[in-house]
Amino acid sequence: AQSVTQPDIHITVSEGASLELRCNYSYGATPYLFWYVQSPGQGLQLLLKYFSGDTLVQGIKGFEAEFKRSQSSFNLRKPSVHWSDAAEYFCAVGGTGGFKTIFGAGTRLFVKA
Amino acid sequence: DTGVSQNPRHKITKRGQNVTFRCDPISEHNRLYWYRQTLGQGPEFLTYFQNEAQLEKSRLLSDRFSAERPKGSFSTLEIQRTEQGDSAMYLCASSLERDNYGYTFGSGTRLTVV
Repeated sequence: AQSVTQPDIHITVSEGASLELRCNYSYGATPYLFWYVQSPGQGLQLLLKYFSGDTLVQGIKGFEAEFKRSQSSFNLRKPSVHWSDAAEYFCAVGGTGGFKTIFGAGTRLFVKA
Repeated sequence: DTGVSQNPRHKITKRGQNVTFRCDPISEHNRLYWYRQTLGQGPEFLTYFQNEAQLEKSRLLSDRFSAERPKGSFSTLEIQRTEQGDSAMYLCASSLERDNYGYTFGSGTRLTVV
């Protein structure tokens, strides 16, 4: 069965520090992978997606993610975190049929001054 | 285009009452999705429409839930005889058929059943 695991429920980083959010997936075929961000009381915004090709994917707001098939991982990174990045981050995998997305439980990012 | 619009933003209802939520997708998007998000969890797929046809329903969608998309435009999600376990954020998203997983999410309707 398809699934997504985000091992860290919450992470705290200092403003200006680098960030890495972990994501592991389980999927039988080549996955479609995504990272979304959700600010309090808001819907989800797509940060980046991986379908095929270059395993290092650039997204919006300075985020990037690397697909590692051997580790079944798709970790999200940012070199320098801003206070406005504080939010909940969801890793997701596209299921069969091109319509159903399976989300992880999320990692809440706190940014300290 | 103002994106995906959901109404109401918040709904508080008593257990046993019926509630209905509305989603207005991006006008040219022919696919529409409903997801449910409970506290501390990621969104879970409920159902999706391609134009007016409901093509997939999750097992999470019990008989008390019904979704419609008349004329392939806006969609409604109705919950009958609400239970406390229905308390959640209900998210709507839309996309173009050719843009697999290219969702645009609305801000959601937060339902509280008391």
